[in-house]
Amino acid sequence: ELKVEQNPLFLSMQEGKNYTIYCNYSTTSDRLYWYRQDPGKSLESLFVLLSNGAVKQEGRLMASLDTKARLSTLHITAAVHDLSATYFCAVIIQGAQKLVFGQGTRLTINP
Amino acid sequence: KAGVTQTPRYLIKTRGQQVTLSCSPISGHRSVSWYQQTPGQGLQFLFEYFSETQRNKGNFPGRFSGRQFSNSRSEMNVSTLELGDSALYLCASSFALAGGQETQYFGPGTRLLVL
Repeated sequence: ELKVEQNPLFLSMQEGKNYTIYCNYSTTSDRLYWYRQDPGKSLESLFVLLSNGAVKQEGRLMASLDTKARLSTLHITAAVHDLSATYFCAVIIQGAQKLVFGQGTRLTINP
Repeated sequence: KAGVTQTPRYLIKTRGQQVTLSCSPISGHRSVSWYQQTPGQGLQFLFEYFSETQRNKGNFPGRFSGRQFSNSRSEMNVSTLELGDSALYLCASSFALAGGQETQYFGPGTRLLVL
């Protein structure tokens, strides 16, 4: 059974700092997704990582994938308050349209 | 392009009742998936429909069912509601050819409260 684990689950940081969220998964998968969720809202797609060594960047967020280590990271650079949200990684079951999500990382960025 | 829409947005039911939720995918998307989100269990996959056929199913009891229509719109039904069914139900759509794995785009969700 595919398991996806994120850490940390809660992260409180100051504006201007850098930090990394980690996502480990237990079995081989074709691709990995990062989503953002604001309180009371739905999931917003951030990144899709397709292959080993893939790196995607959007603004202050950068995601990378190491399929050999079954690890993805979401790096936040010079955090700003607007990035406060819960971030989920999700891995797709091979051959299916079934996403398995991590527990989510609740990120709070304080001014 | 309009996004995924879900109706109703909020729903209050009592134990033992049944409920039907509706999802309209992004135009051209043929795959619709449903997820349940709760504080305790997180986001869990319910089922996925493609071309009116259930292709994948999660580990939920038979009280949870769904269907998809020829226009790709989907409904999910929960019968004999239990308190634990209180959750945010999210629908996601993707273009997904058979076996394809494109990005799933999520709707705003239906928040169900069971009293």
